[in-house]
Amino acid sequence: NAGVTQTPKFRILKIGQSMTLQCAQDMNHNYMYWYRQDPGMGLKLIYYSVGAGITDKGEVPNGYNVSRSTTEDFPLRLELAAPSQTSVYFCASSYSTASGDRTDTQYFGPGTRLTVL
Amino acid sequence: AQKITQTQPGMFVQEKEAVTLDCTYDTSDPSYGLFWYKQPSSGEMIFLIYQGSYDQQNATEGRYSLNFQKARKSANLVISASQLGDSAMYFCAMSHNNAGNMLTFGGGTRLMVKP
Repeated sequence: NAGVTQTPKFRILKIGQSMTLQCAQDMNHNYMYWYRQDPGMGLKLIYYSVGAGITDKGEVPNGYNVSRSTTEDFPLRLELAAPSQTSVYFCASSYSTASGDRTDTQYFGPGTRLTVL
Repeated sequence: AQKITQTQPGMFVQEKEAVTLDCTYDTSDPSYGLFWYKQPSSGEMIFLIYQGSYDQQNATEGRYSLNFQKARKSANLVISASQLGDSAMYFCAMSHNNAGNMLTFGGGTRLMVKP
């Protein structure tokens, strides 16, 4: 299993440009997440999905959109890039039963480092 | 609102010694999970250990153990026999069962292992 994969690894955008960060998992996990990590900080949740066709906002959703058409894929869309979106973006997935046990463990992709100039 | 606090921005430990990384949390949920992740300089997030709020025993995973004190709302990570490869950022996180099991992260502790 490849686990959680993310593309691209690095990207530089100009202000106002758009892009999609790709995320895929091959573990048949039902829950998927997007987090961002600003320098020297912990991760903050942008969006999450509990299954195909179902998405919801996290703590910091402004400026982003997501979709989940399949179990495997969960792309993150930036429509009008701003310098405040310079960050490292992590995708994660888990096989959650919402029971609060170890199966809720989230496994992370390698991250995408995005710079907006 | 849920909150995770890690009060040690940075710590040194001598190789082969044990070290404790502190984590306190605040939540009104009766059911939650506590996690520790390691982030080496390469940037990936590596899962280390999990503790459920209803677990009676402290979790252990190899050299990692979690000192869970529910009444104090603390979930400290203990690394035994430190190795040079343990040098990294360590994050404590808590899951929220009523919000897609989203994780709230602390600010992290940078651990540096001295040879």
